[in-house]
Amino acid sequence: DTAVSQTPKYLVTQMGNDKSIKCEQNLGHDTMYWYKQDSKKFLKIMFSYNNKELIINETVPNRFSPKSPDKAHLNLHINSLELGDSAVYFCASSQRQGVSYNEQFFGPGTRLTVL
Amino acid sequence: QKEVEQNSGPLSVPEGAIASLNCTYSDRGSQSFFWYRQYSGKSPELIMFIYSNGDKEDGRFTAQLNKASQYVSLLIRDSQPSDSATYLCAAAPSGGYQKVTFGTGTKLQVIP
Repeated sequence: DTAVSQTPKYLVTQMGNDKSIKCEQNLGHDTMYWYKQDSKKFLKIMFSYNNKELIINETVPNRFSPKSPDKAHLNLHINSLELGDSAVYFCASSQRQGVSYNEQFFGPGTRLTVL
Repeated sequence: QKEVEQNSGPLSVPEGAIASLNCTYSDRGSQSFFWYRQYSGKSPELIMFIYSNGDKEDGRFTAQLNKASQYVSLLIRDSQPSDSATYLCAAAPSGGYQKVTFGTGTKLQVIP
């Protein structure tokens, strides 16, 4: 199936731990994103990569470090996890076409719970 | 702060009625607008996009854009219980890299 996939789907961990979330897309898209969705459903962009180059880097604690080994993969590593990091993290991808319309396809999400 | 604002709802409509979802945006540089539907526990999926003033229809869905008023809306005709979800409005600048700003979403409940 062509899609955006993420692992793991659920992540429960203790405060202070380090964890990673992985994302892969086989849609042939050039651009990938990480979003954080909090308990109030607010979906906020964190990072975006285009062809392995970081192009969007929002005001995010430097405990969060994205890595894109190739344009089909985008990983998110989080150091020293805090309670406030608990959220659903969505990966997304899009094909940059240089026109106004640019649909983003979302992965299934990773629900992170920090205890 | 560039924002997209929506009423969080819930908006309750009876089955078969028209559901009207509204959104305003603050960044006049926004050129592309999107409506995503998100079922509980699922990821957002695009249902409509619009970038020209006026109406755009796709099946039971109509998106409306008024750039002068910085207002976007989504009408769902003949609402079905399966339309019950949170609807996220989003805006993006034209061209370049697409930094999409999402609203907080409106929860729609279609009552059978």
